[in-house]
Amino acid sequence: EAQVTQNPRYLITVTGKKLTVTCSQNMNHEYMSWYRQDPGLGLRQIYYSMNVEVTDKGDVPEGYKVSRKEKRNFPLILESPSPNQTSLYFCASSFLSGNEKLFFGSGTQLSVL
Amino acid sequence: AQSVTQLGSHVSVSEGALVLLRCNYSSSVPPYLFWYVQYPNQGLQLLLKYTSAATLVKGINGFEAEFKKSETSFHLTKPSAHMSDAAEYFCAVSDSGGSYIPTFGRGTSLIVHP
Repeated sequence: EAQVTQNPRYLITVTGKKLTVTCSQNMNHEYMSWYRQDPGLGLRQIYYSMNVEVTDKGDVPEGYKVSRKEKRNFPLILESPSPNQTSLYFCASSFLSGNEKLFFGSGTQLSVL
Repeated sequence: AQSVTQLGSHVSVSEGALVLLRCNYSSSVPPYLFWYVQYPNQGLQLLLKYTSAATLVKGINGFEAEFKKSETSFHLTKPSAHMSDAAEYFCAVSDSGGSYIPTFGRGTSLIVHP
């Protein structure tokens, strides 16, 4: 089954404790992206990747890191999480063409205390 | 550059009533347009998309949207709302000019009353 898998589904952590949210897709997609969703602000793009070893900043990259060492994986790293990074995070992927739909993961609800 | 505006962060309708969710876009090249739906506690999934074929696009669950170039709009409609349509709806645009970075609107929450 074609899917984007995110883990964990829920995560509670404390300020400053490094964490990684994993994202994996099984559709051989070139494009992968991370979004955060906050009430009233919709989806905001954090980072995206056009292919292996090619990543770029989205609209709200501060405080986040990503890597794309393999085509299927695109982890999101928070080196020193802060409370303002409490949010619902989504990973998405697609073929690299403007008319292709995005496939979304189920989301990761992160709370930073 | 491209952008999307969704009018109304919340839309409330009665069951059986017409659903109309508004989306206006700007794009310097012919756009590709999408509507995604997010049911509670789930990720987004594609409802329908416009890719320069027919201007009236039919999607899943009885939804449809019409591309109107003169109005730069891509409004989503459904003739008769069902309780199960309660969800968050996102309009998105990407361009046909080769730079594929989709832009999302802020979303509209559809509330359906019995």
